[in-house]
Amino acid sequence: GAVVSQHPSRVICKSGTSVKIECRSLDFQATTMFWYRQFPKQSLMLMATSNEGSKATYEQGVEKDKFLINHASLTLSTLTVTSAHPEDSSFYICSAPPAGGTEAFFGQGTRLTVV
Amino acid sequence: QKEVEQNSGPLSVPEGAIASLNCTYSDRGSQSFFWYRQYSGKSPELIMFIYSNGDKEDGRFTAQLNKASQYVSLLIRDSQPSDSATYLCAVNGGADGLTFGKGTHLIIQP
Repeated sequence: GAVVSQHPSRVICKSGTSVKIECRSLDFQATTMFWYRQFPKQSLMLMATSNEGSKATYEQGVEKDKFLINHASLTLSTLTVTSAHPEDSSFYICSAPPAGGTEAFFGQGTRLTVV
Repeated sequence: QKEVEQNSGPLSVPEGAIASLNCTYSDRGSQSFFWYRQYSGKSPELIMFIYSNGDKEDGRFTAQLNKASQYVSLLIRDSQPSDSATYLCAVNGGADGLTFGKGTHLIIQP
């Protein structure tokens, strides 16, 4: 199946700093990338949808100035958590459907801990 | 607001028995339905997908879809301890991406 590579898998940062998470589609072009967040024992919650070459669409309640999404190429989308706070500690996962497909292939996820 | 409902469990099943996982969804226009397995601290992995009413079998897994009743289920035959995980039901909303249920925590007892 298609592969989505996500890095880093784990990051610990200080409160107030920024963290960038990268997702790359390795063997297909991802015109759309979905970014999810998952708190412990909770389901995946869609944060935003990024589309190559255009602005991301954010779900209600997600601060677009705090969670910066860039999808500058067909194989790379990034999520930057700016001015991170302990409440931003979570598991962040990206996913992308190959062109013409409806199923989602997930990155490995990033465990963010803000101290 | 699209909703996907699952019993959070835990659902405990003896090894070798059939595990039955259920899911209901609110959007009658949904077309694609997925079951993902997620181990603790890991990303979800696709188990099955189903588009048409009826049953779809793949090895020990069978997905069942009933669009009239708006439910989808996953049966796991000959359950193994390695099947212990959280199973996420997901519904495709086209350009809106997948809407996930909260997941059912399945425990297979040796």
